[in-house]
Amino acid sequence: ILNVEQSPQSLHVQEGDSTNFTCSFPSSNFYALHWYRWETAKSPEALFVMTLNGDEKKKGRISATLNTKEGYSYLYIKGSQPEDSATYLCAFQTGANNLFFGTGTRLTVIP
Amino acid sequence: EAGVVQSPRYKIIEKKQPVAFWCNPISGHNTLYWYRQNLGQGPELLIRYENEEAVDDSQLPKDRFSAERLKGVDSTLKIQPAELGDSAVYLCASSLSPGVGDNEQFFGPGTRLTVL
Repeated sequence: ILNVEQSPQSLHVQEGDSTNFTCSFPSSNFYALHWYRWETAKSPEALFVMTLNGDEKKKGRISATLNTKEGYSYLYIKGSQPEDSATYLCAFQTGANNLFFGTGTRLTVIP
Repeated sequence: EAGVVQSPRYKIIEKKQPVAFWCNPISGHNTLYWYRQNLGQGPELLIRYENEEAVDDSQLPKDRFSAERLKGVDSTLKIQPAELGDSAVYLCASSLSPGVGDNEQFFGPGTRLTVL
């Protein structure tokens, strides 16, 4: 079992605020880093799959960066909206195709 | 395109009873995963199939858990007998074969099991 840590555990922000979360993972045996958004009673939805050190990916108001040498990834949400309320999971992938998940950051956006 | 389908969505049983979960992966996805998410934790892999072969079941508690993937499509995960500590969300996911595409795993909505 690999150690993948996410912080903070939970976060409340006002609508319109920008926010960011951290995922830290082992810097060895890296294959890919995945970000998922999981809304209550729905399926976890893939946001990004990141493979290269220095990768930056963007989808609408959400973006992510990756540093494989130091073992961390940041997820940013610009101008948070109530529909962004969800748990955000990161998962570290080794070459074996298995994912090792963090415990998630639960985001609540207050209208 | 239909996503990963799981049933039931919710299940409440008494301890020592058996329970089974069903998963239908995305068409064409040869790899299928079962994860368990305990309260306050991230999902943890129980078993991974490549077609009908279980290639990683190291985290599956084999004394009470079993899984099958007949014909390399649908899969069933069974617990017999269930214990209080089995209360969790059981997630199924599927993906293309290793090395194909960007390794993205697609998840179903999960089955929330409560053992009383």
